[in-house]
Parts: sequence; structure tokens; C-alpha cells
Amino acid sequence: TQLLEQSPQFLSIQEGENLTVYCNSSSVFSSLQWYRQEPGEGPVLLVTVVTGGEVKKLKRLTFQFGDARKDSSLHITAAQPGDTGLYLCAGGRDTGKLIFGQGTTLQVKP
Amino acid sequence: KAGVTQTPRYLIKTRGQQVTLSCSPISGHRSVSWYQQTPGQGLQFLFEYFSETQRNKGNFPGRFSGRQFSNSRSEMNVSTLELGDSALYLCASSRAGSYGANVLTFGAGSRLTVL
Repeated sequence: TQLLEQSPQFLSIQEGENLTVYCNSSSVFSSLQWYRQEPGEGPVLLVTVVTGGEVKKLKRLTFQFGDARKDSSLHITAAQPGDTGLYLCAGGRDTGKLIFGQGTTLQVKP
Repeated sequence: KAGVTQTPRYLIKTRGQQVTLSCSPISGHRSVSWYQQTPGQGLQFLFEYFSETQRNKGNFPGRFSGRQFSNSRSEMNVSTLELGDSALYLCASSRAGSYGANVLTFGAGSRLTVL
């Protein structure tokens, strides 16, 4: 059973386009984290959101945590080839244990 | 400061063998977590160690085990390897901060191929 459903699984877009990745669950999480992973490397933390309704911005990336703390979204504005990678959402409950979504593979073509 | 170091980066084993993977956390981090990443299942939690004690465990068979040393370095072992154990094994360390907002720093992983 996948507790965190991420969509879409694959996304191929042109440079300059906008995109949104969704992370949904029927369970409540105390925190929601977004990671980006490049080939041959481990995931790197982008952001942590902990409050329902919280919105965080990181340059062209906007992260939102749902009011009920069951879902989250990642929006990228004017995507660039450097944004290419695997994006992972992860829900936190117990310290040290994160539940990951399946990931969204993003390809941004020049 | 140095990041999380995992060794070896790549290894090939045959069915029935065992393997030991090592993880050196960031200095000052006392929690080490292990994850298995496969194309079909994504990242799945194996276990977490804090102060040499296993604090959390995922749903993996007993063939998967781990330990943590007094210097916070950790090892995981997989015995009687199966083809399905082929995966990227990721280690992550943290200060084991506040509940629900734990920040993990991942290593680059150990890619295991079982033939």
C-alpha cells in the first residue's frame, strides 16, 4: 500500500513552461518534505513544511502543504534544464522514519 | 563539513551471498536511517538507529539487519541475497531533531546488483 501518491510519475516539458507536482495521502502527516535526486546521487532536501496551509517559496519553486496536512504540491515556474531530476515527497511521522512517494521524473528540454 | 559517506558505492554479488554496507554520518549527527530504492517500489524505509539502538524498523524480512557503533557509524547487512535485493541502498543521517520535522541528509548510496 502506497501511503503517499505522487503524480504525475513522468513529466517532459519545454524550457520556460510551468508545472505542478502533487503528493496526496489519506493519512495526516506532521511534516511534508520535498527532495530532488539526480542520477548517481542521494536525495537532497528542498523544503520542509509543517503547518497546514503553509506556503514556502524557493526561487522559482513554490511548495504548499494542504490545510488538513494530507497533501502537498510543488509548483515550478519557468522550468529550466537544470531542474531536471527526480522529485520526491516524503511524509514524516516518527523521528527518523519518512514515508516517500514514488517520485516524479521531470525532464526539461532546452 | 563532510557529508554522509557510504561505502562501497557499487558492488555485485550472487544469490545466496551476504553483503555489508557502511555509512559514516555527518559529524554530530546521532541518527542514521537506511532506505532501499528500487524503480518499482521507490524509497522504502529499512530501519533507523540512534545511540546504537534500533529505534524504528520497516517491513523487511529478518535477512536485513543493521547496527550502529559508538561513533554513530552504521552498517547494514543483507544475508542470503535474492535477485530482488538488487537496489540502491541509501543511508541518511540527522541530528534526530524534533518530532515530525526531522531533516535527513542522504549519502550517495551503495548500488547492489545481485546476479
